Formats: sequence, C-alpha cells, structure tokens
Amino acid sequence: NAGVTQTPKFQVLKTGQSMTLQCAQDMNHEYMSWYRQDPGMGLRLIHYSVGAGITDQGEVPNGYNVSRSTTEDFPLRLLSAAPSQTSVYFCASRDGALEFFGPGTRLTVL
Amino acid sequence: GQQLNQSPQSMFIQEGEDVSMNCTSSSIFNTWLWYKQDPGEGPVLLIALYKAGELTSNGRLTAQFGITRKDSFLNISASIPSDVGIYFCAGLMSSNTGKLIFGQGTTLQVKP
Repeated sequence: NAGVTQTPKFQVLKTGQSMTLQCAQDMNHEYMSWYRQDPGMGLRLIHYSVGAGITDQGEVPNGYNVSRSTTEDFPLRLLSAAPSQTSVYFCASRDGALEFFGPGTRLTVL
Repeated sequence: GQQLNQSPQSMFIQEGEDVSMNCTSSSIFNTWLWYKQDPGEGPVLLIALYKAGELTSNGRLTAQFGITRKDSFLNISASIPSDVGIYFCAGLMSSNTGKLIFGQGTTLQVKP
C-alpha cells in the first residue's frame, strides 16, 4: 500500500491563480480530510468527507473547494490564491478513529 | 473552535533524559491519539488510546488516557537524537465520524 499520497510536494502561485492539490489513498477509507498547518497554529481542518459524494466544511473552509467523486481521491481546489493561503497542506484518511496523513504540499502564494 | 491545550510548547533536553508532555481540555474525549512530525514530513501516528486510565507503550514511548477523560500524557524514556520533532496530541469527542481536535504541538530538541 502506498498509503496517502499528495501531489505536488511544492508549489508557488501568484495571487489570483487557481490550482488543485491532489490527494489519493489506496486503503479504501471512507473518511478523508484536508488540513493546513501554519507556525504556532497546529493543524486546522479545511474540509472533510465521510464518503464518496459527501463533503462538509471544517474550521477554515473559505477560499477552498473540495469534491469526492471516488473513495480514493479527494482533491482540494484553491479558487483564487491569496498570500494568506501560504501554508503546508496535509491530506489524511481515517480508519475508525485512526487518522493517517500524507507527506504534505508546501504552497507559497506571492 | 474546540481546542486542546498542549504543554510544554517546546523542550530542549540532553540525550538520555526522559521527556513528559501533556494535553488537557475542558471537554471529555473518547479517543486520544499521539503523533510525531519530522521536519518536512506529515504527522505519523505513534499511539492510540481508547479507554480512561489506559496506559499504552510503543517502544520507549508510553501514553496514558487520563481518568477524567479530559487529558492525556506522553512520556519518552531515554531520549535519543532521532526523537527530535513536533509531537501532537489529538482527541476524538464522539463517534469515529467526528472531527479530530489537535493540540498545538510540542517541539522537542535533543542535544547529543
């Protein structure tokens, strides 16, 4: 099993650009999440999904969209990037109470 | 939103020393998790706790689920340089479909 995979690992955007952060898992987990990690802020939940076709907002959803068309994939879309979205983004999938994280995408918005 | 208070925020210790950190909350949790994050990597699950009073070990790491269900503790014995990283606690309040609540993290540095 590859576990949770994320692409790209690094990305630089200009303000106003859009992009999609990819996330995939091969563990057949129903529950997937997106977090952002900023210095001193810990991990903050952006969006999550309890299964294909179902998504919901987390703590900091503004400026981000998600969709869940398959169990395996959970992409995160930035509609119009802003400098405040400079962060490290982690995707995770859950087995029961156990959440497993991907390696992260480090995003810089200029 | 709901928060876990994790302390200390950072620790700088000598190799071979024991380390203790904890997480507290005003709310009751059903599950406690402890993660370690190496620089440039995602958090890795270390220990999961499911019952009040439970004590679980993973090598030199030992974690406890507080009897009040509002706190959890992580101890690392005989620290080594590769223990360096950020340690996070996380709690689940209700069912397995609930949101995980994370602490702010404890940054551990070990001096050889």
